[in-house]
Amino acid sequence: QSVLTQPPSVSAAPGQILTISCSGSSSNIGKNYVSWYQHLPGRAPKLLIYDNNRRPSGIPDRFSGSKSGTSAALGITGLQTGDEADYYCGTWDTSLSVVVFGGGTKVTVL
Amino acid sequence: QVQLVQSGAEVKKPGASVKVSCKASGYSFSNYYMHWVRQAPGQGLEWMGIINPSGDSTSYTQKFWGRVTMTRDTSTGTVYMELSSLRSEDTAVYYCAREGTAGESYFDYWGQGTLVTVSS
Repeated sequence: QSVLTQPPSVSAAPGQILTISCSGSSSNIGKNYVSWYQHLPGRAPKLLIYDNNRRPSGIPDRFSGSKSGTSAALGITGLQTGDEADYYCGTWDTSLSVVVFGGGTKVTVL
Repeated sequence: QVQLVQSGAEVKKPGASVKVSCKASGYSFSNYYMHWVRQAPGQGLEWMGIINPSGDSTSYTQKFWGRVTMTRDTSTGTVYMELSSLRSEDTAVYYCAREGTAGESYFDYWGQGTLVTVSS
């Protein structure tokens, strides 16, 4: 059971907009930056968003992050078949003194 | 370019130990914290712990206290994660990951992963 809560799966058609939620608490998301990772089977996870809404160089602006209170969200616009992957949110938990992740969300492009 | 290259897959018997290596290149190794994260089959990502740039300070999640040891060799640019008293539940892909900004728990580069299988 993950400390951060994500929907197990989301789906949308190519070209559409998709949002993945990540719910936490005052000791994790409420106090610390959130990051997002894309994980393709058999590959290393890839950083998409850090510091809630910043994109590393090379990540297209189709990917965006936001945070409000104890929740965060990852948005993907112009959905592509190559976006099919598992997506994870992560942050530091101040009470537990550990990095915590969400359970992951499987994105399907219909 | 930044690269983290991990050692190959391992098969271990219950009760044994495994040591996974992660060789860094393309950046100043001594300036970055390193983490280990694992993913069991069908499960999500699980953080194991962190080692500081000089290698003299570590912090592990409670679940692994007494069983995990993280070390680093500055001369070779390699970090290591050793897990002892292995059980079947430790079967997972183990990743090393570089902390992007000191004090912020996000990971900007990851190793390719090392599959550790624990089976009798």
